[in-house]
Amino acid sequence: AQTVTQSQPEMSVQEAETVTLSCTYDTSESDYYLFWYKQPPSRQMILVIRQEAYKQQNATENRFSVNFQKAAKSFSLKISDSQLGDAAMYFCAYRAYSGGSNYKLTFGKGTLLTVNP
Amino acid sequence: ETGVTQTPRHLVMGMTNKKSLKCEQHLGHNAMYWYKQSAKKPLELMFVYSLEERVENNSVPSRFSPECPNSSHLFLHLHTLQPEDSALYLCASSLRGSGGYTFGSGTRLTVV
Repeated sequence: AQTVTQSQPEMSVQEAETVTLSCTYDTSESDYYLFWYKQPPSRQMILVIRQEAYKQQNATENRFSVNFQKAAKSFSLKISDSQLGDAAMYFCAYRAYSGGSNYKLTFGKGTLLTVNP
Repeated sequence: ETGVTQTPRHLVMGMTNKKSLKCEQHLGHNAMYWYKQSAKKPLELMFVYSLEERVENNSVPSRFSPECPNSSHLFLHLHTLQPEDSALYLCASSLRGSGGYTFGSGTRLTVV
C-alpha cells in the first residue's frame, strides 16, 4: 500500500523568506503523480503544484517549486518570497498512474505553515 | 469557487436524524469522491465513483450511504450518526486516470 509521510507537523517562516516542506512516500509503482495541496482556513483544498514521476525536471509554479528525488522517494516543496497569504495547512499527496486503484489520492497528515510578518 | 460546489457548508444533526450532503461539479469530470477530514488525522477516502459506478468503499459504516445519480452529482446520505462522525466532509472530482482532484469547500458536520 502507498503511504505518504510529512515529518513536520508545523513550520514557520518570516515574510519574504524561503521555506521548504518535506514529504516522503512509499510505493512499488514506477509511474505516478505527486501533488502539493494547500488548505487555508477557508477549508478549500487548492492544488499548488504537481509532478509526474516520469519527468526528471522539477515542477515550478511561480514562487513554488519542488525537489523530486525519485530514488529517495522524496518530494519537498519550496516556497520562495513567502507571503502572508501562504499561511495554510499543506498536504503532500500521491496518486498511481495506472491500474485498478488509479483513482485514489493518498494524503500525508499535513504541515501547518505560519508566516510571520 | 473551484467548480465543485458542496452544500450545506455547515450541518448540525442529532444522532437520530437523517440528512444528506450534496456535491455538484460541471467540470466534465467522470470520477467523484468523498473524503472525511478529522482533526489530527490524514484525510480518509470514503467512497469513489467512476462513471457513476461505485468502485471503492473503504470499510465505511453503513450509516453513510453514497449516491451518484449522474456524473455531475454526488450525495452522501447520513442516518443514525455517532458523535465521532463529526468532521469535515470533502467532495472532489477528477478525470479518470489522470491528474489531480478538484475539491469542494466541504461540509462541516457536527453530530450532537
